[in-house]
Amino acid sequence: QVHLVQSGAEVKRPGASVKLSCKASGFFLINYHMHWLRRAPGQGFEWVGCINPNEEHRSYAGKFQGRLRVTRDTSTNTVYMELSSLTSEDTAIYYCAREESAFAVWGQGTLVTVSS
Amino acid sequence: SYELTQPPSVSVSPGQTARITCSGDALPDQYVSWYQQKPGQTPVMVLYKDSERPSGIPERFSGSKSGITATLAISRVEAGDEADYYCQVWHDSDHRGVFGGGTKLTVL
Repeated sequence: QVHLVQSGAEVKRPGASVKLSCKASGFFLINYHMHWLRRAPGQGFEWVGCINPNEEHRSYAGKFQGRLRVTRDTSTNTVYMELSSLTSEDTAIYYCAREESAFAVWGQGTLVTVSS
Repeated sequence: SYELTQPPSVSVSPGQTARITCSGDALPDQYVSWYQQKPGQTPVMVLYKDSERPSGIPERFSGSKSGITATLAISRVEAGDEADYYCQVWHDSDHRGVFGGGTKLTVL
């Protein structure tokens, strides 16, 4: 069965970095585009970035350029998202998702709270 | 442009049909997907490629598209359908997702 299991909630100070993980089971990451999305409190979904199957290409939303890094570890079948220079506006639930025509499979979400 | 516009809210009585629209200039050239998120739960894809239903999604959920407007229709609405619904397209060929602002479906 296909699952995406994400790491636990994080609380960070402004200016800090956070690294989230998303472990896949039931399929291999190398066969799919994997995405990160987020939903801030009271807001809608926002696409954050993705990594393609062969890991040669990553796409990031413009507002995250320079402070976002999406990586993958094929040995553990895990995809990571690292976001730096955090501000309160980065407080959100972050989701990983597998692309299959659409965001077909979602992780359970990780709450990131940025607060002083 | 890749902006998608949804009504903030739609209300419907149980047993009726709810229709949620999504409008955007890119829609004639892009497949639309729809997602449901209930409070405290993980989002679920309910439609993809405008009108395709993933396995496990009831036939009550259907999709259509005409011109710049896509519609998610939920027939015989149940209390359990109350949720936020989002439409989504891909921005060009670079796998960048674009979402509508979301519609809160209230079952009266």
